[in-house]
Amino acid sequence: DQQVKQNSPSLSVQEGRISILNCDYTNSMFDYFLWYKKYPAEGPTFLISISSIKDKNEDGRFTVFLNKSAKHLSLHIVPSQPGDSAVYFCAASESRRNDKIIFGKGTRLHILP
Amino acid sequence: DTAVSQTPKYLVTQMGNDKSIKCEQNLGHDTMYWYKQDSKKFLKIMFSYNNKELIINETVPNRFSPKSPDKAHLNLHINSLELGDSAVYFCASSQRRMGEKLFFGSGTQLSVL
Repeated sequence: DQQVKQNSPSLSVQEGRISILNCDYTNSMFDYFLWYKKYPAEGPTFLISISSIKDKNEDGRFTVFLNKSAKHLSLHIVPSQPGDSAVYFCAASESRRNDKIIFGKGTRLHILP
Repeated sequence: DTAVSQTPKYLVTQMGNDKSIKCEQNLGHDTMYWYKQDSKKFLKIMFSYNNKELIINETVPNRFSPKSPDKAHLNLHINSLELGDSAVYFCASSQRRMGEKLFFGSGTQLSVL
């Protein structure tokens, strides 16, 4: 029972272009969403988050968009850089249960030179 | 100074053995977690402890027993290891407040032969 779905296992993007990673969720009680980035042999590291009271949050090259009616969020990286090559996990939680964060399966992003 | 450290990084063992993974955080967080990343790459929560008290136990077999001697440590002991226990186990910590992100350790790759 996947409550957080990342349907693209991998994505290749040219350096300098925009990378768009997508995530869908099924639980309408989720009201807080996060993106984590993971390099091989390391643990995931927090990238950016968004609360359901917003539809956009921006931090430098990273922007997360939330469409609550579609239960969809996306992470935009622009411009994409070689160091962005990693696995990106979408995650979600209910504010009442913020100690239980549900992760998607991840999308592997390859930035091509 | 590593914020969340777990040992060992790799663990290879025979079926039926008992093994432990240790985790320590120096961030002053009050909540610690164990996550499992299986062969399908899902990151699933196993346990959550808040100030040494068990908060979440996600229907994990009782062969898995977390132990929290203090709020900076959360160890995972696994009895009678099975082939299906092979996975990467991540320790994490956070402050138990809405919007507080998880900090992960670098993971323990467990291989049961």
